[in-house]
Amino acid sequence: NAGVTQTPKFQVLKTGQSMTLQCAQDMNHEYMSWYRQDPGMGLRLIHYSVGAGITDQGEVPNGYNVSRSTTEDFPLRLLSAAPSQTSVYFCASSRRGLSGNTIYFGEGSWLTVV
Amino acid sequence: EDKVVQSPLSLVVHEGDTVTLNCSYEVTNFRSLLWYKQEKKAPTFLFMLTSSGIEKKSGRLSSILDKKELFSILNITATQTGDSAIYLCAVEAGGSNYKLTFGKGTLLTVNP
Repeated sequence: NAGVTQTPKFQVLKTGQSMTLQCAQDMNHEYMSWYRQDPGMGLRLIHYSVGAGITDQGEVPNGYNVSRSTTEDFPLRLLSAAPSQTSVYFCASSRRGLSGNTIYFGEGSWLTVV
Repeated sequence: EDKVVQSPLSLVVHEGDTVTLNCSYEVTNFRSLLWYKQEKKAPTFLFMLTSSGIEKKSGRLSSILDKKELFSILNITATQTGDSAIYLCAVEAGGSNYKLTFGKGTLLTVNP
């Protein structure tokens, strides 16, 4: 029972490089989302998806791309990494419930851009 | 724009103390309020609140929601050093798409 799996766990990038953070869930959840967490800032929503083929922007989408070609996978692409994107990234998934969603988080990906 | 404000931002107490953490919100189409505990890794789920005035309890932790005044509190009694963590409040907004808006969190430090 894997839950939400994120890879890689740690990554160092040079400014201007591109990379993809992978996220996969095996719970058949409709909703998936990406958050970033910076010190003292809580979690901020980058992009989210309510189902395969449907994505939308969150609070801080600039510099990131997402796609949702399958229910299981929701990769986050950094197009041209900048030091301001140094952060901890969390992928989350949830199922739509009658009275709200229980959100399951991945273990996090620590990204440093130098 | 949806907004969630937590207070205090940090708190230092001694083991055995009781603490109250606050979360106020302004969102469109409120659906639920969630509390999470975060230690070194991913946030772990504590409570989900949807109805006003109904207390949720789990051991020494309890939480209640006031939908009229738009806030929630998280109480921890007889604190232990293992309670040291960041406590996050998040509000789920409804409508056509569901998403969470998080507060900045309260950093709780429990000293022996």
